[in-house]
Amino acid sequence: AQTVTQSQPEMSVQEAETVTLSCTYDTSESDYYLFWYKQPPSRQMILVIRQEAYKQQNATENRFSVNFQKAAKSFSLKISDSQLGDAAMYFCAIYNFNKFYFGSGTKLNVKP
Amino acid sequence: DAGVTQSPTHLIKTRGQQVTLRCSPKSGHDTVSWYQQALGQGPQFIFQYYEEEERQRGNFPDRFSGHQYPNYSSELNVNALLLGDSALYLCASSFRRVNTEAFFGQGTRLTVV
Repeated sequence: AQTVTQSQPEMSVQEAETVTLSCTYDTSESDYYLFWYKQPPSRQMILVIRQEAYKQQNATENRFSVNFQKAAKSFSLKISDSQLGDAAMYFCAIYNFNKFYFGSGTKLNVKP
Repeated sequence: DAGVTQSPTHLIKTRGQQVTLRCSPKSGHDTVSWYQQALGQGPQFIFQYYEEEERQRGNFPDRFSGHQYPNYSSELNVNALLLGDSALYLCASSFRRVNTEAFFGQGTRLTVV
């Protein structure tokens, strides 16, 4: 079974500052992918960043980066220089066998 | 290039009724997966269609069924609606050979009263 745990239901960050969202997961598989998705009020799931489990190097996408600790089964998302448009629900997910397993989400508030 | 499109965006049904939700995958994609997202929760996998057959299924009752057409579009049918079926239903499309790159539609908000 695959499980994903996001222990922070809600977080706040000041505009232009940095925030880290936590995610832990459990899987017995060796081949999998990890994702962070953003879901604004428009409801559409938007891919933020993706990490292949076999890669040791942490993925980065502009202001977004991850800290992937495979042994600890941890996959946190760091957002630098936070912007008002970053406010949304963020979901961590593990992907294998052609399907996603999502966490319960973290609501990110960005204060101007 | 249109992304994943779902219809309708919202609908309201009465308990006991049946509903059909539709999804058109992104151009070039051949696999469609459906997810149910209850309020305040993450999406839960319902099932996946590829080559017009259900390939995988999550922990959902038989009231949930689906179909995929030759043009890869898909339908999700729910019979005998319960109040607990109220949720956002998301469709995700992908290309089987590059199956780690899935794109989501904007979802259909179903309310059962």
